Amino acid sequence: GESVGLHLPTLSVQEGDNSIINCAYSNSASDYFIWYKQESGKGPQFIIDIRSNMDKRQGQRVTVLLNKTVKHLSLQIAATQPGDSAVYFCAENISWGGTSYGKLTFGQGTILTVHP
Amino acid sequence: ETGVTQSPTHLIKTRGQQVTLRCSSQSGHNTVSWYQQALGQGPQFIFQYYREEENGRGNFPPRFSGLQFPNYSSELNVNALELDDSALYLCASSLAGLGEVQYFGPGTRLTVT
Repeated sequence: GESVGLHLPTLSVQEGDNSIINCAYSNSASDYFIWYKQESGKGPQFIIDIRSNMDKRQGQRVTVLLNKTVKHLSLQIAATQPGDSAVYFCAENISWGGTSYGKLTFGQGTILTVHP
Repeated sequence: ETGVTQSPTHLIKTRGQQVTLRCSSQSGHNTVSWYQQALGQGPQFIFQYYREEENGRGNFPPRFSGLQFPNYSSELNVNALELDDSALYLCASSLAGLGEVQYFGPGTRLTVT
């Protein structure tokens, strides 16, 4: 069945280090991927997205890499800060062909802890 | 802040009761999706509403139902509450189209006792 999973449930880094969070997906038909950050007691916050016709996309301090051959997605955070501590989810958008249907399938999440 | 609001923030209900959760979408967004997030898990898709009609549903029983209003706000109704319905219920709004970002509200924490 379709699934989105994460290799590492927890990641602990020092402030200033670069962080890499990985995600595997199983549905070859997926055409859109999103990374979300969720802090305790809050809803998921959009970080960055990438479409299946791209391999890499950069934002402010973040980069998402997509490898369709092995169905792998990663989020790189440069110069990680204590404020980056949160749970990070990758989500897979499965289009059913309608004009607006977009069911997000989430992985279980990776807990990122940044130590000062 | 995403501009997506949800009410109430917290709710405690008894097994067998019914509950209604509310969501106001971000200005300009016409699509609302609902997700259930159990503790320690990723959000699970319940259903999506577009132009006041259900536009896709996840693996949830019929006692989970919803509405979308002309102003694009939405309600999630759950009948015959079960203990396993205890979770964070998230609403996300987006603009119709393939692969549009969904912006989430803060969620409603439902506890069923």
